[in-house]
Amino acid sequence: NAGVTQTPKFQVLKTGQSMTLQCAQDMNHEYMSWYRQDPGMGLRLIHYSVGAGITDQGEVPNGYNVSRSTTEDFPLRLLSAAPSQTSVYFCASSYSREANQPQHFGDGTRLSIL
Amino acid sequence: AQKITQTQPGMFVQEKEAVTLDCTYDTSDPSYGLFWYKQPSSGEMIFLIYQGSYDQQNATEGRYSLNFQKARKSANLVISASQLGDSAMYFCAMRVTGWFSNAGKSTFGDGTTLTVKP
Repeated sequence: NAGVTQTPKFQVLKTGQSMTLQCAQDMNHEYMSWYRQDPGMGLRLIHYSVGAGITDQGEVPNGYNVSRSTTEDFPLRLLSAAPSQTSVYFCASSYSREANQPQHFGDGTRLSIL
Repeated sequence: AQKITQTQPGMFVQEKEAVTLDCTYDTSDPSYGLFWYKQPSSGEMIFLIYQGSYDQQNATEGRYSLNFQKARKSANLVISASQLGDSAMYFCAMRVTGWFSNAGKSTFGDGTTLTVKP
């Protein structure tokens, strides 16, 4: 099993550009989420989805959009990149939203905005 | 709202000794799960151990154990017989359940960097 796959692994953007970070899981997990990790800090929730067609905002949603048309895929779109969005982005999935479910993480995308 | 506090930015431990990483949490939800994740320098997030809010016994997974004190709202990670490969960042996280609007959301602490000395 591939688990959670994120692409690309690295990306450099110019301010104002847009792009999509891809996330796919092959575990038939209902719950998927996107986090950002800034240097020396923990993970902050950007958006999450409890199933196909259902998404909601997390702690830091501004500047990002998501959609969930299939169970497997949960792309994150940066609408107009800003230097403050320079970070490492993690996609995660879990079988359900129940509290006893650990999350499975992708390897992350390192994003730099110039 | 949920909050996780890890008060130790960095910790050092001698190889083969035990170490405790502190975690306190705050939530008004009665049903929740507490998790520890390991992040090596390579960057991936690795799930280590889970404790449910209604579990009577402390969780254990190999060399990892979770010292759960519900009244104190603490969920400390104990690593026994430290190894050089244990050097990493460790995150405490909480997930709430139920039908509240924040069901399923996870909250992470800022992490503790553990360095194992040979």
